[in-house]
Amino acid sequence: NAGVTQTPKFQVLKTGQSMTLQCAQDMNHEYMSWYRQDPGMGLRLIHYSVGAGITDQGEVPNGYNVSRSTTEDFPLRLLSAAPSQTSVYFCASSSSGGAGNQPQHFGDGTRLSIL
Amino acid sequence: GQQVMQIPQYQHVQEGEDFTTYCNSSTTLSNIQWYKQRPGGHPVFLIQLVKSGEVKKQKRLTFQFGEAKKNSSLHITATQTTDVGTYFCAGRGSGTYKYIFGTGTRLKVLA
Repeated sequence: NAGVTQTPKFQVLKTGQSMTLQCAQDMNHEYMSWYRQDPGMGLRLIHYSVGAGITDQGEVPNGYNVSRSTTEDFPLRLLSAAPSQTSVYFCASSSSGGAGNQPQHFGDGTRLSIL
Repeated sequence: GQQVMQIPQYQHVQEGEDFTTYCNSSTTLSNIQWYKQRPGGHPVFLIQLVKSGEVKKQKRLTFQFGEAKKNSSLHITATQTTDVGTYFCAGRGSGTYKYIFGTGTRLKVLA
């Protein structure tokens, strides 16, 4: 059971480049979220999805796009990378039981540096 | 919008001492979750609290949810070196599926 898989694990980009961070889960979870983690700031929610075809903004959505065409996949797109987007990105998933009261399962993260 | 503050930011303790981290939300929460993140790792779910005044224990860890459902605490009795890491709370408001994380408390245990 792979759980939540994030690719790539590391990435270096130049300012202005675009890229997609991949997230896949094999637990048939309805809920998926993207967080970014910066030193001293905890995890901040970027975007989340409550099911295929349904996405919504979190605390810090600017500069990022998401889509959810399948239950398994929830990619995060950086449209035009900026140094302020240097961070560790975590994808998480959870089941929908209990009206949102379910543990979140996190991937190993993508460490992104933008020069 | 909803904000979740966590204190202290850092805590260094001698092995065997107790440790407590506190979490405070600007709004009433539907539930709160606690996670532990080891250095270089990802957050791992510890426990969830749902009811007002709820207290749950996991071996040396005691979790509390305030009566007003706006604050929570995690207490570790007799810390061990394996307790090293950053502890996060994550709160969810009613009518939303969004979890807002606290800033975390980084625990170091000195042997």
